[in-house]
Amino acid sequence: SQKIEQNSEALNIQEGKTATLTCNYTNYSPAYLQWYRQDPGRGPVFLLLIRENEKEKRKERLKVTFDTTLKQSLFHITASQPADSATYLCGGNYGQNFVFGPGTRLSVLP
Amino acid sequence: EAQVTQNPRYLITVTGKKLTVTCSQNMNHEYMSWYRQDPGLGLRQIYYSMNVEVTDKGDVPEGYKVSRKEKRNFPLILESPSPNQTSLYFCASIGRYEQFFGPGTRLTVL
Repeated sequence: SQKIEQNSEALNIQEGKTATLTCNYTNYSPAYLQWYRQDPGRGPVFLLLIRENEKEKRKERLKVTFDTTLKQSLFHITASQPADSATYLCGGNYGQNFVFGPGTRLSVLP
Repeated sequence: EAQVTQNPRYLITVTGKKLTVTCSQNMNHEYMSWYRQDPGLGLRQIYYSMNVEVTDKGDVPEGYKVSRKEKRNFPLILESPSPNQTSLYFCASIGRYEQFFGPGTRLTVL
């Protein structure tokens, strides 16, 4: 079955730096990948989507890439702020199914 | 306001006592889904529904049932809960590409 991995359970960075989170998938490429933010005790909130045939998408301080050769998506937050501290989830669409990674807990230190 | 509601938010029950977690959305979406979230495993899809009276299994359907009699509602039913179903449950309503998650239901089965 399809599996999505996020290779960092936790990531600490200094305020102002760029945070880079990694998402890897096994076997087949999803039709698209989504990135979500989840705060403690809350449901995930959609951030960005990138399709299989797209290389890069941007939204304000966020950037996501999709490399089907490496079977990998990278999620960047530039000029990070303490308010960006949260868990970030990567999810892939496979037809009617969605498969999510376990998430990366980002802490931005002031 | 676009919204997905779930009830109850918290539930402690005993093994074998049937329970239902309700989910409702106000966005007129056809596609809805249930997930469970466990530490280290991320979100796993339990069941999904593409439309009224159309439901299908996700990755972890054992021990769960769903129904979709109306477009806005998608209840999750545990006929005979067991301790391994202790988890955080999320309902999602899926737009064109974005998933809108409910606030979550924390279920403990003793």
